[in-house]
Amino acid sequence: DTGVSQNPRHKITKRGQNVTFRCDPISEHNRLYWYRQTLGQGPEFLTYFQNEAQLEKSRLLSDRFSAERPKGSFSTLEIQRTEQGDSAMYLCASSGSNQPQHFGDGTRLSIL
Amino acid sequence: KNQVEQSPQSLIILEGKNCTLQCNYTVSPFSNLRWYKQDTGRGPVSLTIMTFSENTKSNGRYTATLDADTKQSSLHITASQLSDSASYICVVPTGGGNKLTFGTGTQLKVEL
Repeated sequence: DTGVSQNPRHKITKRGQNVTFRCDPISEHNRLYWYRQTLGQGPEFLTYFQNEAQLEKSRLLSDRFSAERPKGSFSTLEIQRTEQGDSAMYLCASSGSNQPQHFGDGTRLSIL
Repeated sequence: KNQVEQSPQSLIILEGKNCTLQCNYTVSPFSNLRWYKQDTGRGPVSLTIMTFSENTKSNGRYTATLDADTKQSSLHITASQLSDSASYICVVPTGGGNKLTFGTGTQLKVEL
């Protein structure tokens, strides 16, 4: 399978804990995106990388959120001191230049 | 403010029937509009991409229309199947095309 891969698919954690998600994009794609989707809503843009450079961050990405793409391949999204409101589906997408975005199946985060 | 609005919010139809989903957008500058299908628990999958100059585009049983003057698009599904049950999301790139603005989606259920 050469699509966008996200791990884990599901994460349940207690409030206050830190969590980290991983995204492996399609190998030839230089652009990588993170989105958050809550129940009944469309995805909301969080951040965007071109190769290893993080070029844009949404105001939704508070100080507790950090994303990295150290070698321009896979990316991680970390949430520190999780809160109830962080419960959502976190989607990763990748694309080539001027190409449509291909999405992974997301990581569903549940905060107890 | 860039916005994408969809209607209806939800729709139930019988297998074999046709349906039409609506999307209104207020995005500037406009380059293209995309329709995605999202199955429950999965990431969105692109159905069609329409540029400014295109009025109609088909992908199998899916036909999308675009009126750039009125800033409206529709997605018509012909001869619906049970597997068409999903959320259909209208998406418009903003911020130079690197960020996607999603509608809240139309939740379609096809029943026997």
